[in-house]
Amino acid sequence: EIVLTQSPATLSLSPGERATLSCRASQSVSSYLAWYQQKPGQAPRLLIYDASNRATGIPARFSGSGSGTDFTLTISSLEPEDFAVYYCQQRSNWPRGTFGQGTKVEIK
Amino acid sequence: EVQLVESGGGLVQPGRSLRLSCTASGFTFGDYAMSWVRQAPGKGLEWVGFIRSKAYGGTTEYAASVKGRFTISRDDSESIAYLQMNSLKTEDTAVYYCSRDLDTARAFDIWGQGTMVTVSS
Repeated sequence: EIVLTQSPATLSLSPGERATLSCRASQSVSSYLAWYQQKPGQAPRLLIYDASNRATGIPARFSGSGSGTDFTLTISSLEPEDFAVYYCQQRSNWPRGTFGQGTKVEIK
Repeated sequence: EVQLVESGGGLVQPGRSLRLSCTASGFTFGDYAMSWVRQAPGKGLEWVGFIRSKAYGGTTEYAASVKGRFTISRDDSESIAYLQMNSLKTEDTAVYYCSRDLDTARAFDIWGQGTMVTVSS
């Protein structure tokens, strides 16, 4: 099973700052990597698919990059509504897939 | 509005069964694969299983942790996906989400609000 490791576990930033989240796979997942945002008490929301494609309705401040084993989600300037938990997910062996353990972006 | 609504969760004793439903609206349900994902209290996300659209055989696949105990089915005429859970264990306690599974994106683009399943004696 491919293991995804997200870092850091928690990111403490202020609104307006840039957030950089990392997701590393235990083996290559090509570009089959997605990012989700989850707020307390809510379902996850798809942000990025195929490593770098924004989902419908996702603001341009969210961007994804990477391929193979190393991926990054960048939020260029944090808005108040962006403070949440972010998960990466690989599905190189679709439909099977695994999620990372999550990165919490909290207000500093 | 594109929407998924889960139902059927609740408190159940270990070893018993429960069936969850996921009712879709706002899109042609039969054209899409569907997945179930769960989240134990305070924990991360875990993919549970998947069902293809009838156009691709309607076949299913499951995570190793539930294979042989859980069964996913679909009723395209009613736009409902089901998750039949048998031989439940305490570690199956979680919020269960259904999601629309995009094979082109290999991602879940639409999620329900989730339904809580608690397995306890």
